[in-house]
Amino acid sequence: GENVEQHPSTLSVQEGDSAVIKCTYSDSASNYFPWYKQELGKGPQLIIDIRSNVGEKKDQRIAVTLNKTAKHFSLHITETQPEDSAVYFCAASPVGNEKLTFGTGTRLTIIP
Amino acid sequence: GAGVSQTPSNKVTEKGKYVELRCDPISGHTALYWYRQSLGQGPEFLIYFQGTGAADDSGLPNDRFFAVRPEGSVSTLKIQRTERGDSAVYLCASSQGATETQYFGPGTRLLVL
Repeated sequence: GENVEQHPSTLSVQEGDSAVIKCTYSDSASNYFPWYKQELGKGPQLIIDIRSNVGEKKDQRIAVTLNKTAKHFSLHITETQPEDSAVYFCAASPVGNEKLTFGTGTRLTIIP
Repeated sequence: GAGVSQTPSNKVTEKGKYVELRCDPISGHTALYWYRQSLGQGPEFLIYFQGTGAADDSGLPNDRFFAVRPEGSVSTLKIQRTERGDSAVYLCASSQGATETQYFGPGTRLLVL
Protein backbone atom coordinates (compact mmCIF):
# COMPACT_ATOMS: atom_id res chain seq x y z
CA GLY A 1 0.00 0.00 0.00
CA GLU A 2 0.84 3.68 -0.06
CA ASN A 3 3.41 5.09 2.36
CA VAL A 4 3.80 8.84 2.91
CA GLU A 5 6.77 10.36 4.70
CA GLN A 6 6.76 13.96 5.91
CA HIS A 7 9.58 16.26 7.00
CA PRO A 8 10.34 18.06 9.20
CA SER A 9 8.34 16.95 12.20
CA THR A 10 8.70 20.40 13.79
CA LEU A 11 9.43 23.75 12.22
CA SER A 12 9.83 27.19 13.76
CA VAL A 13 10.03 30.33 11.63
CA GLN A 14 10.02 34.04 12.29
CA GLU A 15 6.82 35.85 11.46
CA GLY A 16 6.98 37.08 7.90
CA ASP A 17 9.43 34.41 6.76
CA SER A 18 8.55 31.44 4.56
CA ALA A 19 7.92 27.85 5.65
CA VAL A 20 8.39 24.73 3.54
CA ILE A 21 7.17 21.23 4.38
CA LYS A 22 8.07 18.24 2.22
CA CYS A 23 6.45 14.87 1.63
CA THR A 24 7.39 11.79 -0.35
CA TYR A 25 5.09 8.98 -1.40
CA SER A 26 5.69 5.42 -2.54
CA ASP A 27 2.80 4.49 -4.84
CA SER A 28 3.34 5.77 -8.37
CA ALA A 29 -0.41 5.38 -8.97
CA SER A 30 -1.19 8.20 -6.52
CA ASN A 31 -2.68 11.19 -8.27
CA TYR A 32 -4.30 13.35 -5.58
CA PHE A 33 -2.32 15.22 -2.91
CA PRO A 34 -4.15 17.36 -0.34
CA TRP A 35 -2.70 19.34 2.55
CA TYR A 36 -4.59 19.73 5.81
CA LYS A 37 -4.11 22.10 8.73
CA GLN A 38 -5.10 20.87 12.18
CA GLU A 39 -5.44 23.10 15.19
CA LEU A 40 -5.53 21.78 18.72
CA GLY A 41 -8.75 19.95 19.48
CA LYS A 42 -10.13 20.32 15.97
CA GLY A 43 -10.44 18.18 12.88
CA PRO A 44 -8.14 18.59 9.86
CA GLN A 45 -9.05 21.47 7.55
CA LEU A 46 -8.15 21.34 3.86
CA ILE A 47 -5.93 24.27 2.86
CA ILE A 48 -4.86 23.30 -0.64
CA ASP A 49 -4.75 20.26 -2.90
CA ILE A 50 -3.18 19.28 -6.19
CA ARG A 51 -3.80 16.59 -8.77
CA SER A 52 -1.12 14.92 -10.81
CA ASN A 53 -1.96 16.69 -14.05
CA VAL A 54 -0.38 19.93 -12.74
CA GLY A 55 3.00 20.67 -11.23
CA GLU A 56 2.11 23.66 -9.08
CA LYS A 57 -0.90 25.33 -7.55
CA LYS A 58 -1.10 28.58 -5.63
CA ASP A 59 -3.72 30.17 -3.41
CA GLN A 60 -2.67 33.54 -1.96
CA ARG A 61 0.17 32.83 0.52
CA ILE A 62 0.01 29.06 0.07
CA ALA A 63 1.44 27.02 -2.77
CA VAL A 64 2.00 23.34 -3.44
CA THR A 65 4.48 21.84 -5.89
CA LEU A 66 4.47 18.28 -7.19
CA ASN A 67 7.28 16.26 -8.76
CA LYS A 68 5.77 12.99 -9.98
CA THR A 69 9.06 11.66 -11.27
CA ALA A 70 10.68 11.96 -7.86
CA LYS A 71 7.40 11.20 -6.06
CA HIS A 72 7.51 14.16 -3.77
CA PHE A 73 5.40 17.24 -3.12
CA SER A 74 5.87 20.30 -0.96
CA LEU A 75 3.83 22.96 0.82
CA HIS A 76 5.09 26.52 0.76
CA ILE A 77 3.70 29.22 3.04
CA THR A 78 4.96 32.76 2.45
CA GLU A 79 4.70 35.82 4.71
CA THR A 80 3.86 33.62 7.68
CA GLN A 81 1.55 34.92 10.38
CA PRO A 82 0.95 33.78 13.99
CA GLU A 83 -2.35 32.18 12.95
CA ASP A 84 -0.42 29.84 10.66
CA SER A 85 0.82 28.02 13.78
CA ALA A 86 -0.71 24.52 13.70
CA VAL A 87 0.04 20.93 12.69
CA TYR A 88 0.11 20.37 8.94
CA PHE A 89 -0.50 17.00 7.28
CA CYS A 90 0.13 15.93 3.73
CA ALA A 91 -1.77 13.03 2.20
CA ALA A 92 -1.91 10.98 -0.98
CA SER A 93 -4.57 8.95 -2.74
CA PRO A 94 -4.22 6.64 -5.77
CA VAL A 95 -6.55 6.61 -8.73
CA GLY A 96 -9.79 4.83 -7.88
CA ASN A 97 -8.87 4.51 -4.23
CA GLU A 98 -10.62 7.13 -2.23
CA LYS A 99 -8.87 6.56 1.05
CA LEU A 100 -6.20 9.07 2.00
CA THR A 101 -2.84 7.99 3.38
CA PHE A 102 -1.48 10.71 5.65
CA GLY A 103 2.01 11.75 6.62
CA THR A 104 2.98 11.98 10.29
CA GLY A 105 2.52 15.76 10.47
CA THR A 106 4.62 18.88 10.91
CA ARG A 107 4.14 21.14 13.91
CA LEU A 108 4.68 24.66 12.61
CA THR A 109 5.33 27.44 15.10
CA ILE A 110 5.44 31.08 13.97
CA ILE A 111 7.58 33.20 16.24
CA PRO A 112 6.23 36.77 16.60
CA GLY B 1 -25.67 21.57 8.27
CA ALA B 2 -22.71 23.75 7.45
CA GLY B 3 -20.13 21.08 8.12
CA VAL B 4 -19.55 17.54 9.28
CA SER B 5 -20.70 17.01 12.85
CA GLN B 6 -19.75 14.23 15.23
CA THR B 7 -21.22 13.13 18.53
CA PRO B 8 -20.25 12.77 21.24
CA SER B 9 -17.26 15.09 21.24
CA ASN B 10 -15.73 13.09 24.07
CA LYS B 11 -16.40 9.57 25.30
CA VAL B 12 -14.89 7.86 28.32
CA THR B 13 -15.60 4.17 28.75
CA GLU B 14 -14.27 1.16 30.56
CA LYS B 15 -12.38 -1.69 29.00
CA GLY B 16 -14.77 -4.29 27.63
CA LYS B 17 -17.68 -1.92 27.08
CA TYR B 18 -19.48 -1.21 23.79
CA VAL B 19 -19.46 2.28 22.23
CA GLU B 20 -21.16 3.98 19.31
CA LEU B 21 -19.83 7.07 17.60
CA ARG B 22 -22.05 9.09 15.28
CA CYS B 23 -21.25 11.13 12.19
CA ASP B 24 -23.56 13.56 10.35
CA PRO B 25 -22.04 14.37 6.96
CA ILE B 26 -22.47 17.54 4.96
CA SER B 27 -25.91 17.52 3.37
CA GLY B 28 -25.85 15.96 -0.09
CA HIS B 29 -22.46 14.29 0.30
CA THR B 30 -22.66 10.72 -0.92
CA ALA B 31 -19.26 9.56 0.30
CA LEU B 32 -18.40 9.16 3.99
CA TYR B 33 -15.11 8.13 5.60
CA TRP B 34 -13.96 7.11 9.05
CA TYR B 35 -10.37 7.64 10.19
CA ARG B 36 -8.61 7.09 13.50
CA GLN B 37 -5.94 9.45 14.81
CA SER B 38 -3.61 8.46 17.62
CA LEU B 39 -1.72 11.09 19.57
CA GLY B 40 1.03 12.68 17.51
CA GLN B 41 0.11 10.77 14.35
CA GLY B 42 -1.73 11.43 11.13
CA PRO B 43 -5.23 10.07 10.58
CA GLU B 44 -5.42 6.41 9.53
CA PHE B 45 -8.16 5.18 7.22
CA LEU B 46 -10.76 2.80 8.65
CA ILE B 47 -13.71 2.56 6.24
CA TYR B 48 -15.33 4.34 3.29
CA PHE B 49 -19.02 4.40 2.34
CA GLN B 50 -20.44 5.29 -1.04
CA GLY B 51 -24.13 5.70 -0.34
CA THR B 52 -25.32 2.99 2.02
CA GLY B 53 -22.68 0.42 1.22
CA ALA B 54 -19.17 0.05 2.56
CA ALA B 55 -16.99 0.39 -0.55
CA ASP B 56 -13.73 -0.22 1.32
CA ASP B 57 -13.41 -1.50 4.90
CA SER B 58 -9.79 -2.57 4.62
CA GLY B 59 -8.69 -0.26 7.43
CA LEU B 60 -10.86 -1.73 10.17
CA PRO B 61 -8.33 -3.25 12.60
CA ASN B 62 -10.38 -6.30 13.61
CA ASP B 63 -13.90 -7.64 13.89
CA ARG B 64 -14.62 -5.61 17.03
CA PHE B 65 -15.05 -2.60 14.76
CA PHE B 66 -18.12 -2.19 12.59
CA ALA B 67 -19.77 0.76 10.83
CA VAL B 68 -23.14 1.32 9.23
CA ARG B 69 -24.83 3.95 7.10
CA PRO B 70 -28.35 2.57 6.63
CA GLU B 71 -29.93 5.52 4.83
CA GLY B 72 -26.92 6.89 3.05
CA SER B 73 -26.53 9.88 5.35
CA VAL B 74 -25.73 9.47 9.06
CA SER B 75 -23.13 6.84 9.93
CA THR B 76 -22.38 5.06 13.18
CA LEU B 77 -19.04 3.50 14.08
CA LYS B 78 -19.48 0.69 16.58
CA ILE B 79 -16.73 -0.75 18.75
CA GLN B 80 -17.35 -3.89 20.77
CA ARG B 81 -15.35 -5.07 23.79
CA THR B 82 -13.26 -1.91 23.85
CA GLU B 83 -9.57 -2.12 24.69
CA ARG B 84 -7.23 0.54 26.03
CA GLY B 85 -5.48 0.56 22.66
CA ASP B 86 -8.69 1.80 21.04
CA SER B 87 -8.19 5.17 22.73
CA ALA B 88 -7.81 7.75 19.97
CA VAL B 89 -9.63 10.51 18.13
CA TYR B 90 -12.11 9.08 15.64
CA LEU B 91 -12.59 11.39 12.68
CA CYS B 92 -15.35 11.38 10.12
CA ALA B 93 -15.13 13.02 6.70
CA SER B 94 -17.53 13.40 3.81
CA SER B 95 -17.24 14.33 0.14
CA GLN B 96 -19.59 15.04 -2.75
CA GLY B 97 -18.48 11.87 -4.44
CA ALA B 98 -15.62 9.48 -4.85
CA THR B 99 -12.28 11.25 -5.45
CA GLU B 100 -13.68 14.63 -4.38
CA THR B 101 -12.33 16.74 -1.54
CA GLN B 102 -12.84 15.23 1.90
CA TYR B 103 -14.11 17.56 4.63
CA PHE B 104 -13.48 16.48 8.20
CA GLY B 105 -15.55 16.79 11.33
CA PRO B 106 -14.11 17.77 14.74
CA GLY B 107 -13.73 14.18 15.86
CA THR B 108 -14.76 12.10 18.86
CA ARG B 109 -12.10 11.67 21.51
CA LEU B 110 -12.44 8.16 22.89
CA LEU B 111 -10.71 7.19 26.11
CA VAL B 112 -10.85 3.59 27.25
CA LEU B 113 -9.90 3.15 30.90
